[in-house]
Amino acid sequence: AQSVTQPDIHITVSEGASLELRCNYSYGATPYLFWYVQSPGQGLQLLLKYFSGDTLVQGIKGFEAEFKRSQSSFNLRKPSVHWSDAAEYFCAVGEAGFKTIFGAGTRLFVKA
Amino acid sequence: GAVVSQHPSWVICKSGTSVKIECRSLDFQATTMFWYRQFPKQSLMLMATSNEGSKATYEQGVEKDKFLINHASLTLSTLTVTSAHPEDSSFYICSASDRGGYQPQHFGDGTRLSIL
Repeated sequence: AQSVTQPDIHITVSEGASLELRCNYSYGATPYLFWYVQSPGQGLQLLLKYFSGDTLVQGIKGFEAEFKRSQSSFNLRKPSVHWSDAAEYFCAVGEAGFKTIFGAGTRLFVKA
Repeated sequence: GAVVSQHPSWVICKSGTSVKIECRSLDFQATTMFWYRQFPKQSLMLMATSNEGSKATYEQGVEKDKFLINHASLTLSTLTVTSAHPEDSSFYICSASDRGGYQPQHFGDGTRLSIL
């Protein structure tokens, strides 16, 4: 079975600083990878996805992610964090049966 | 586009009662919908895959008699928590894809269920 690991339970960054959230996956073939964001008490919103092609993927809200097959990673980045980016971020992988398997999540705190 | 609506957003009920949660795809048809459970400060755990016109497929460890899923139409799936107990209290989220396959899921806003 596939799995997704997000090594950081929480991260704190200063507003305006850059951000990188880590994600590692285990899957034999080319994975379908996603990043979602969840605000407290709400559902999830898709930030970006990777299916194939260009390994640097652009998403909404200024986020991007880079697929590195050699490292089995799909890290999420943003050059300048805004206070409104504080939320829970989930990396996910598409599994057989069209299921989505989520990582444990990383909570982002933004300090002024 | 691709909006998934979940209702109710919050429900409190007494132990022993049954609670129904609805998940609707408002502007697309969804052959398959997914139901997740999320404990506080934890990730989403897939409970079951809801298939229109057929039985749901439950993940290992999920009691199918406790969590009844009905996918009566291409736009509606329901999750009924039967004889609910405090340990069933959780955040339940549904999702659906407007394109099927491995396309990203669109999520409802979730239902917070509190059993007293």
